[in-house]
Amino acid sequence: AQSVTQLDSHVSVSEGTPVLLRCNYSSSYSPSLFWYVQHPNKGLQLLLKYTSAATLVKGINGFEAEFKKSETSFHLTKPSAHMSDAAEYFCVVSDRGTSYDKVIFGPGTSLSVIP
Amino acid sequence: DAGVTQSPTHLIKTRGQQVTLRCSPKSGHDTVSWYQQALGQGPQFIFQYYEEEERQRGNFPDRFSGHQFPNYSSELNVNALLLGDSALYLCASDGTGTDTDTQYFGPGTRLTVL
Repeated sequence: AQSVTQLDSHVSVSEGTPVLLRCNYSSSYSPSLFWYVQHPNKGLQLLLKYTSAATLVKGINGFEAEFKKSETSFHLTKPSAHMSDAAEYFCVVSDRGTSYDKVIFGPGTSLSVIP
Repeated sequence: DAGVTQSPTHLIKTRGQQVTLRCSPKSGHDTVSWYQQALGQGPQFIFQYYEEEERQRGNFPDRFSGHQFPNYSSELNVNALLLGDSALYLCASDGTGTDTDTQYFGPGTRLTVL
């Protein structure tokens, strides 16, 4: 069965310092993995996705994530945090190889950026 | 190119009432999924529609039902509303082609049940 674990419910960083949001998953098939961001009172925006091509995936706004199959991880990073990065981040797994995609969201990590 | 749109933006109902939420998918998309996001939680999958039929369903009671129209737009209906149905309801679309497993989300409908 699929599952997604986001290891930190809340992360706080200072502006200009690196961001690390951790995600571990389990999947029976060859998964697609995504990170979405949700700003307060806004919908979900796709940051990046992994679909079995390059293991290091670059997304929008300077974010990137590395797929590590041996560790079943897909951690999200950014070299330098900006105030506008403060939001809720969701790691998502989608199983391909079934007759249709099954999409599971993690519980979310709230990122605070301190000026 | 219009993205996913949802209406209404906000809705207030009382317990026992019925509600209908609407979604128009992104242009070129033919699959619509609905999610419930309770305050402080991640979205939970309700169901998915493709070719006007419910293709898969999450762990939600039969009070939650839906419909997809020939133009791929969709409705989510909730009957006999409970206080616990208060949440942000998100619609997502995706389509056949090279990017089939990427869902694009609408801004959501905030439902408050009093």
